[in-house]
Amino acid sequence: DVVMTQSPLSLSVTLGQPASISCRSSQSLLDSDGNTYLSWFQQRPGQSPRRLIYKVSDRDSGVPDRFSGSGSGTDFTLKISRVEAEDVGVYYCMQATHWPRAFGQGTKLEIK
Amino acid sequence: EVQLVESGGGLVKPGGSLRVSCAASGFTFSNAWMSWVRQAPGKGLEWVGRIKRKSDGGTADYAAPAKGRFTISRDDSKNTVYLQMNSLKTEDTAVYYCATWGLDYWGQGTLVTVSS
Repeated sequence: DVVMTQSPLSLSVTLGQPASISCRSSQSLLDSDGNTYLSWFQQRPGQSPRRLIYKVSDRDSGVPDRFSGSGSGTDFTLKISRVEAEDVGVYYCMQATHWPRAFGQGTKLEIK
Repeated sequence: EVQLVESGGGLVKPGGSLRVSCAASGFTFSNAWMSWVRQAPGKGLEWVGRIKRKSDGGTADYAAPAKGRFTISRDDSKNTVYLQMNSLKTEDTAVYYCATWGLDYWGQGTLVTVSS
């Protein structure tokens, strides 16, 4: 099975400053159809997860443009250009190229 | 507006069974593949399995922890997907979320506690 490894596992960021989360997969996530099925999710305290990014860099409707995704193959990054108070929570990457789908361990973002 | 509402969670003894449900609205349920994801208290997200739409065979596939003990089914006349859990273990204690196949929509989750 594919293993997803996130770093760091926790992040403390000053309001207005950028943040970056890394996600690495144990196998390439490039599918035979040419797509790379890597998504990012945000889970605010006490809430259900919410998808932010799919296929590496496509932003979901309603997601602020300060969130961006990048990467290829086995290395991926979620960037927040300017952290706001509402960004506090846990962020997960997930691969959907290989069965079974797999999530990273999660990265907890807090405000410094 | 897409809505997914889980129900049926509760306290069950080890070795027992429980069925949780997820009622869907706001989209054409019969055309949708559906997923189940769980989250143990204070832990990360874990994939449980998914069920295809009937026109794609209606079959379900499971991640390792669920294989042989859990069964996903659907009733398109009720716009509902089910997760039948048998031979429950204490490590199955979690919030169980249903979601669309792309995980673009999630329910609020239902808590299943396995304890004696």
